[in-house]
Amino acid sequence: NAGVTQTPKFRILKIGQSMTLQCTQDMNHNYMYWYRQDPGMGLKLIYYSVGAGITDKGEVPNGYNVSRSTTEDFPLRLELAAPSQTSVYFCASSFWVGSDYGYTFGSGTRLTVV
Amino acid sequence: DAKTTQPNSMESNEEEPVHLPCNHSTISGTDYIHWYRQLPSQGPEYVIHGLTSNVNNRMASLAIAEDRKSSTLILHRATLRDAAVYYCILRYGGSEKLVFGKGMKLTVNP
Repeated sequence: NAGVTQTPKFRILKIGQSMTLQCTQDMNHNYMYWYRQDPGMGLKLIYYSVGAGITDKGEVPNGYNVSRSTTEDFPLRLELAAPSQTSVYFCASSFWVGSDYGYTFGSGTRLTVV
Repeated sequence: DAKTTQPNSMESNEEEPVHLPCNHSTISGTDYIHWYRQLPSQGPEYVIHGLTSNVNNRMASLAIAEDRKSSTLILHRATLRDAAVYYCILRYGGSEKLVFGKGMKLTVNP
């Protein structure tokens, strides 16, 4: 199992450009998440999905869009990139462990908007 | 979401036990106590979770106070690889979400 795979690992965008951060998991997990982490801070939830075709907003959804057409893939779309979106982005999926769900995270995408 | 309080940082010595505290005085009966850690330049990693009883796994132990208002993550023998930011998180049993705070930085001295 590869787990949660994110691409690209690094990206520099110019203000106003758009891009899609890719996330795929091979564990057949229904729940998937996108978080962002600013320097020295904890993770903030952007969007999440409880299954194919179902997505919902998290804490900081503005400036982002998601889709979930398959169980495996959960891409995050940035439209009209802004410097405030400079951050490290983590994708995650959740798995059942004992009595509750645990999360497994990808290695992140470091995005800089200039 | 109920809040947790952790020290900003702690130091420990290699091969000694480490006790990482977490206060969660507003915890509700359906909140699970989760611990994650984040090594430098990596995504967070699940460590352990519990509801009421103490829990052990291959990575750590979780000791939960009888009133559930605090918990302690125990690393039985710290290694340099355990140096990370540790997050204590309350996850409402009916929620799909995990809400992270700023966490606590653990430094392990050789």
